[in-house]
Amino acid sequence: DAGVTQSPTHLIKTRGQQVTLRCSPKSGHDTVSWYQQALGQGPQFIFQYYEEEERQRGNFPDRFSGHQFPNYSSELNVNALLLGDSALYLCASSFGQEEAFFGQGTRLTVV
Amino acid sequence: AQTVTQSQPEMSVQEAETVTLSCTYDTSESDYYLFWYKQPPSRQMILVIRQEAYKQQNATENRFSVNFQKAAKSFSLKISDSQLGDAAMYFCAYRRAQGGSEKLVFGKGTKLTVNP
Repeated sequence: DAGVTQSPTHLIKTRGQQVTLRCSPKSGHDTVSWYQQALGQGPQFIFQYYEEEERQRGNFPDRFSGHQFPNYSSELNVNALLLGDSALYLCASSFGQEEAFFGQGTRLTVV
Repeated sequence: AQTVTQSQPEMSVQEAETVTLSCTYDTSESDYYLFWYKQPPSRQMILVIRQEAYKQQNATENRFSVNFQKAAKSFSLKISDSQLGDAAMYFCAYRRAQGGSEKLVFGKGTKLTVNP
């Protein structure tokens, strides 16, 4: 079992561009959550997908959107990138009340 | 809204010694979970220990144990016989105990240094 995998591991984008991050959940998990971790801070919840629908959302603007596919994998899209969007983006998968497993994250740098 | 506070930005410990990391939280819920996660430089969040609020007994995982004080809303992590590999960021997290998966609410973290 490969656990939670995220791609890419690093990327650099220019202000105003759009970016798509990808996450494959751990085998057997049906729920994917996305978190943003700014430098020196704890992760902040962006949103969660279950059964291909957004089930919960944190305090993030509409520029942040996502999708979940029938195989439970997920994408995080960010439009009109700002310098402040530079962060580590973490994906976590889970099943019911069981513990969440995290991927290694995608480091996004906006220049 | 639930909040999690870690008042120690940095802590250090000598190898083989014991260290305690502090965490307080605020919630109006009666049923919830508390977690300690470790984040080494590799960036991946690793679950260290989990506590269900309805359980009075403190959770223990090998060298890691917690002191859960529900009335005080306190949840500290004790690491015994510290090892060099324990050096990392440690995050305290809260999760409501509802049907299905709920979001995690994290503190700002404590950076633990282990001195040889």
